[in-house]
Amino acid sequence: DAGITQSPRHKVTETGTPVTLRCHQTENHRYMYWYRQDPGHGLRLIHYSYGVKDTDKGEVSDGYSVSRSKTEDFLLTLESATSSQTSVYFCAISESGQISNQPQHFGDGTRLSIL
Amino acid sequence: GQNIDQPTEMTATEGAIVQINCTYQTSGFNGLFWYQQHAGEAPTFLSYNVLDGLEEKGRFSSFLSRSKGYSYLLLKELQMKDSASYLCAVYGNNRLAFGKGNQVVVIP
Repeated sequence: DAGITQSPRHKVTETGTPVTLRCHQTENHRYMYWYRQDPGHGLRLIHYSYGVKDTDKGEVSDGYSVSRSKTEDFLLTLESATSSQTSVYFCAISESGQISNQPQHFGDGTRLSIL
Repeated sequence: GQNIDQPTEMTATEGAIVQINCTYQTSGFNGLFWYQQHAGEAPTFLSYNVLDGLEEKGRFSSFLSRSKGYSYLLLKELQMKDSASYLCAVYGNNRLAFGKGNQVVVIP
């Protein structure tokens, strides 16, 4: 299995609080991604990174920011959490970028509930 | 944009064969992935198709027709552990988009 660790695995917090989710990889892959998964929707890309300090927006980036200061770590921050951000968040990594036959490999997910 | 359509749920008997379909509309098609996701777990990679035809990997096979915007995943000799959601993901428009997944329930 790809060495991807997400933390925390579960979190319950209140509306308006800041939340940071961490993704740590031991594969030295260049590309890292944050997705959210909700009932009735496929996995939706929030942000991705194509190198240290290089990030870009996905299709549902509003309300989220990311940072990547080291190859192995990719952080997702909700500056002021809202109930609509209750979801399961998955981190993924890949050796090559979007146009590639290299698959993305996923972490175990973080279940985030915002009350 | 991209549009990916998968049936939502199907039930099949242990030992049987099941075919999971995926139709898509996209520009700049550059490959299609199938993933398996057990409840409460991460998606795991099953197969990749970029050229027309059938790719076989043990009990799992995946087929692609680019002209029809169509793919299927074939699961043979179904086992109880195959009960899961199967996700189709398409590279197009310089991004990877996932379908909503097809839940397969295997019954004895």
